[in-house]
Amino acid sequence: KAGVTQTPRYLIKTRGQQVTLSCSPISGHRSVSWYQQTPGQGLQFLFEYFSETQRNKGNFPGRFSGRQFSNSRSEMNVSTLELGDSALYLCASTTGQVLSGANVLTFGAGSRLTVL
Amino acid sequence: GEDVEQSLFLSVREGDSSVINCTYTDSSSTYLYWYKQEPGAGLQLLTYIFSNMDMKQDQRLTVLLNKKDKHLSLRIADTQTGDSAIYFCAEKDYGQNFVFGPGTRLSVLP
Repeated sequence: KAGVTQTPRYLIKTRGQQVTLSCSPISGHRSVSWYQQTPGQGLQFLFEYFSETQRNKGNFPGRFSGRQFSNSRSEMNVSTLELGDSALYLCASTTGQVLSGANVLTFGAGSRLTVL
Repeated sequence: GEDVEQSLFLSVREGDSSVINCTYTDSSSTYLYWYKQEPGAGLQLLTYIFSNMDMKQDQRLTVLLNKKDKHLSLRIADTQTGDSAIYFCAEKDYGQNFVFGPGTRLSVLP
């Protein structure tokens, strides 16, 4: 079974630009979560989508947004990029069924964004 | 709010045992997890434990859970250089909310 696929793996942008990252979850998984990982802040939760609806949201500004499509693939967008947005963006999928056991998060390899 | 804490660094000699510790605050945690992250990669699940268990063993990995003290540990027996990575502790509540610790960077010295 294919894992979680994130594209692109690496990208470089300049301040003020916007970026879209893509995540294809494991087949059958309906929940996709996004995390930002930086050396200083660690792993921070951005948001979670389940069945095309945002179900949970972290504490990030409105420049960070996401969506999920009917095939469970998800995209996240960051507008008006700042230097501090340079990070590894990780996507993870689960079945999304609450109260259904361990419901392990399976992560993709990440998209490394550098903002110059 | 919920919080998960870990020490940030650990160094061990090859062949020794490593013990990585984690504390959490959410008493409603249902499952606790250990993930491993190698350089340039995403997080890989190592193991998890249900909150009503106190120990789980999986080959070289032993997880101990002290629910009263909200303390979780991961022991790696016969640590190898390939075990050098960042290890994240995480907890999940009754919903779909996962909280991760800051990660412990394990360095294995030859």
